[in-house]
Amino acid sequence: NAGVTQTPKFRVLKTGQSMTLLCAQDMNHEYMYWYRQDPGMGLRLIHYSVGEGTTAKGEVPDGYNVSRLKKQNFLLGLESAAPSQTSVYFCASSSVNLYGYTFGSGTRLTVV
Amino acid sequence: DQQVKQNSPSLSVQEGRISILNCDYTNSMFDYFLWYKKYPAEGPTFLISISSIKDKNEDGRFTVFLNKSAKHLSLHIVPSQPGDSAVYFCAAKAAGNKLTFGGGTRVLVKP
Repeated sequence: NAGVTQTPKFRVLKTGQSMTLLCAQDMNHEYMYWYRQDPGMGLRLIHYSVGEGTTAKGEVPDGYNVSRLKKQNFLLGLESAAPSQTSVYFCASSSVNLYGYTFGSGTRLTVV
Repeated sequence: DQQVKQNSPSLSVQEGRISILNCDYTNSMFDYFLWYKKYPAEGPTFLISISSIKDKNEDGRFTVFLNKSAKHLSLHIVPSQPGDSAVYFCAAKAAGNKLTFGGGTRVLVKP
């Protein structure tokens, strides 16, 4: 009963490096989301997807790209990491009929 | 411009007493509200929710109150327990399933 799994859990990047964060859910949820959590700012939506093959921008999309090639996976990419992208990243999923999200345990990313 | 605000970043309460967490919103299109609880190094977990057509929802020790005219909701935890020590996020939904979150309130319940 895994729910939402995020990999990796921790990562340190140098400025300018690229990386991909992977999110996988096994609940057959249609919707998937990427949020970032920063102190005092709560959770801010980066990108989201309402189904396989679809993606859309959230509140803070700049510097990130996403892909949803399979229903169960949602990838978040950083093409050229910047220190401002140091944050904790959470992936979440939800079904069409329920408003509550199921969150992963997060990825702590530090860009130096 | 934050559409959902939790103005108290932290709250300390004695075990057995009531914890009251507050949340204000500005978008009148929000039609559903949720509270999430988050422990360190874990993802947020759903706690309780309320539809905009109601003014109260209760689940065990947790009660959420909604005042639409004031654009204000609150979460009451009675009685508070040490295991309730966590960060609590208020969230609101408008069209679609996207949630907008507040900044969080850190609750510390002292034994």
